[in-house]
Amino acid sequence: GQQVMQIPQYQHVQEGEDFTTYCNSSTTLSNIQWYKQRPGGHPVFLIQLVKSGEVKKQKRLTFQFGEAKKNSSLHITATQTTDVGTYFCASGNNRKLIWGLGTSLAVNP
Amino acid sequence: GAVVSQHPSRVICKSGTSVKIECRSLDFQATTMFWYRQFPKQSLMLMATSNEGSKATYEQGVEKDKFLINHASLTLSTLTVTSAHPEDSSFYICSAAGGSEQFFGPGTRLTVL
Repeated sequence: GQQVMQIPQYQHVQEGEDFTTYCNSSTTLSNIQWYKQRPGGHPVFLIQLVKSGEVKKQKRLTFQFGEAKKNSSLHITATQTTDVGTYFCASGNNRKLIWGLGTSLAVNP
Repeated sequence: GAVVSQHPSRVICKSGTSVKIECRSLDFQATTMFWYRQFPKQSLMLMATSNEGSKATYEQGVEKDKFLINHASLTLSTLTVTSAHPEDSSFYICSAAGGSEQFFGPGTRLTVL
């Protein structure tokens, strides 16, 4: 079945450094969604990308969807301690989402 | 975004007892709700899809008699962990489908002694 691979599993950065997490699939994805889960919290929807090559920005976060719609990335510029958490990609619809394993981000102040 | 509540937020129970977790969509009607399980530092594992007025659809490997799901109204789904054992200890999260995204409840941390 459809799988979404996400790397890296963990990332430790110094505050102010950039951070990127990647999602890849062997099959074409209808969309890609990104969620953030703070430690002890629940996933919170960040964004959805649906178009080939789409790029969206939210302040210091940049989301990309590959031309072939098989990969996606989330890039954070100049990380802050508030960015700490696990970032998940997921693909699907309101009937079922296929989840990546997540990338846990730790930020040293 | 839409608000989904979950109750209780934390429960500790003895082995062999049953635990019921409620998931409510507070400001919208959800024909579909999802139940996930998450172990520490791991991803979300979909357990079942709960459809209002019909039987839940369980993922492979999830025992439907162990994890009873009821979705009696458009705003409430319940998950009952029957005859809980220590290996059932986990973080259980529900979500409600709204448009293309899912709105998550705050989760229930279950500890079975």
